[in-house]
Amino acid sequence: GDSVTQMEGPVTLSEEAFLTINCTYTATGYPSLFWYVQYPGEGLQLLLKATKADDKGSNKGFEATYRKETTSFHLEKGSVQVSDSAVYFCALSSTGANSKLTFGKGITLSVRP
Amino acid sequence: DGGITQSPKYLFRKEGQNVTLSCEQNLNHDAMYWYRQDPGQGLRLIYYSQIVNDFQKGDIAEGYSVSREKKESFPLTVTSAQKNPTAFYLCASSIGTGGTETQYFGPGTRLLVL
Repeated sequence: GDSVTQMEGPVTLSEEAFLTINCTYTATGYPSLFWYVQYPGEGLQLLLKATKADDKGSNKGFEATYRKETTSFHLEKGSVQVSDSAVYFCALSSTGANSKLTFGKGITLSVRP
Repeated sequence: DGGITQSPKYLFRKEGQNVTLSCEQNLNHDAMYWYRQDPGQGLRLIYYSQIVNDFQKGDIAEGYSVSREKKESFPLTVTSAQKNPTAFYLCASSIGTGGTETQYFGPGTRLLVL
């Protein structure tokens, strides 16, 4: 079945540091890939997505490229801020009329001033 | 403003009691979902509904029940058969279930057992 694997956390960075959060997936066909973010005590918000190979999703300075050859969708940001502290989830949605989201376990990012 | 509301924010359940979590959306979305979030385990799908009066079991449906009598509403009942109900419950909706659609999430309900 479909699965998403995220790097182990938590991750702690200083403000303005470079961020990479790894995400790899297993799926049949050509899934869509998503990054969601969850701030403390809240629901999830879509951060970015990509629906086909080589697409790059971007939002709020975050980027991720859909790499089919390595089945990866790594999240990057050039300079993190304290306000980026949150839990980040990678997810995939298989193609088809009855598709569902499959989530990774999430990783907690803490950014210190 | 369009969005998803969940109530209550906190809910306490006694042993042997059924409790119902509310989820309402005004986004005119056809599809709605319920997830359970436990620390370190990501989100797991409980039930989903693609259209009014229809719903399907997700990966962990045992001990839960749902209804979808109106497009805007998708309440979740945690029954006494659910032996470990303490978790954060998230409701979501999307335009459809074609695979590329974004799911929009509510703020969640935290269920605690007394």
